[in-house]
This record gives sequence, structure tokens and C-alpha cells, in this order.
Amino acid sequence: NAGVTQTPKFQVLKTGQSMTLQCAQDMNHEYMSWYRQDPGMGLRLIHYSVGAGITDQGEVPNGYNVSRSTTEDFPLRLLSAAPSQTSVYFCASSPLEGAFIPDEQFFGPGTRLTVL
Amino acid sequence: GQNIDQPTEMTATEGAIVQINCTYQTSGFNGLFWYQQHAGEAPTFLSYNVLDGLEEKGRFSSFLSRSKGYSYLLLKELQMKDSASYLCAVRRYSGAGSYQLTFGKGTKLSVIP
Repeated sequence: NAGVTQTPKFQVLKTGQSMTLQCAQDMNHEYMSWYRQDPGMGLRLIHYSVGAGITDQGEVPNGYNVSRSTTEDFPLRLLSAAPSQTSVYFCASSPLEGAFIPDEQFFGPGTRLTVL
Repeated sequence: GQNIDQPTEMTATEGAIVQINCTYQTSGFNGLFWYQQHAGEAPTFLSYNVLDGLEEKGRFSSFLSRSKGYSYLLLKELQMKDSASYLCAVRRYSGAGSYQLTFGKGTKLSVIP
């Protein structure tokens, strides 16, 4: 049971390049999400999904796309990278069991992205 | 919108007790979480409160007052390994089985000998 995995761990891009951050989980969780973490800003939600075929925007979605074709995978695409997207990106998943149940989020190890 | 406030930094002595406060304003409140994050690592779940009161789990306890929009995380018998950032997060249900989790900026706790 690998939990939540993310690739790559580190990435350097030039302004204008595109790339996809990969996220996969093997816990059969319905809920998956992407956050970015910047110094002094905390974790901010980019996009999330409550199941295959369903995605929605979070607090800071501009410049990012997501899709959810399977329960296991939730890739994050940067369409045209900008220096403002330099950050640490975390993917997370949770079971989505109900409104009054903890449904703790399990985080991947993160991807450290630098855009020059 | 949502607003979550917690102190930026705290320092405490090994063996002591420390309380980290979190205040929030939100609509559709459906629970408050505390996560621990060591430097360079991913956050890990510590506790969850959805009803008023105290939840105890070993050396860690978390309290919630929904009417005051207030929570705290209490760490007892502090150990050096407790040096980490502690993140307060509020869950808001948005209907149709969907929710969003909004995090505060985190409190960096330094435990000194």
C-alpha cells in the first residue's frame, strides 16, 4: 500500500513551458485535491475532485487544469508556467465518507517546482 | 469567504504544555482539523472536531467552540520532535457530497531544551 504518490519530486521549468504533475493513490479514495504551499501563505486549494469525471475549482485555480479519468489518478497541468507558480505542490486524498466523519486527508510527499 | 487566524510562531520548553489557538469565520462549517507538518515534509493528520468540546488523543488534545469560532490544540509533555508547524483547517460542505478544506497559515512551534 503506497498511499499517495507524486512525481516528480523536483522540477525546474522555464517561463512559458507546460508540464503535468502526477498524483496517484491506491486507497480507493473518492476525494482528491491539489494544494500549493508558499512561505507565509499556508496551503491553498487549487482544484479538487469528488470522484472520477468530477472536478471543481478551489481558491487559486488560474493557470492550472485537472482531470479525473480514474479513481486512482489526478494529474495537475500547468498550461504556461510563470514565476508566480514557483511553489511546493501537494496532492491529497480522502475517503469522502460523510459530513460528520473526519475523512482525514492523506498527503503525498510534494513536488518542489521552480519556474525561471 | 473564509478567514482563519493562528499565531505565526511559538516557542516552548521541553516537558512543558503549549496551547496553539485558531480562530475562524466561515459559512457551512463542517469540522475543524489540526495537521502537523515537519519542515520539508507533508502534513499529517492530528485531530478533528465537529461538535463543541475537547477531543483527547494521547499527549494531544483539541478543543472547539463553534459559537465563538475558536479552537485550540494542546500539546502536553513537549518533546523535541514536536518542533513543527501546526496547521488549523476548516472544512466547509458545499453540497452534493462535496467539500473544501481551507487551511490557516500555520504556527511554527519550536521546542527548546
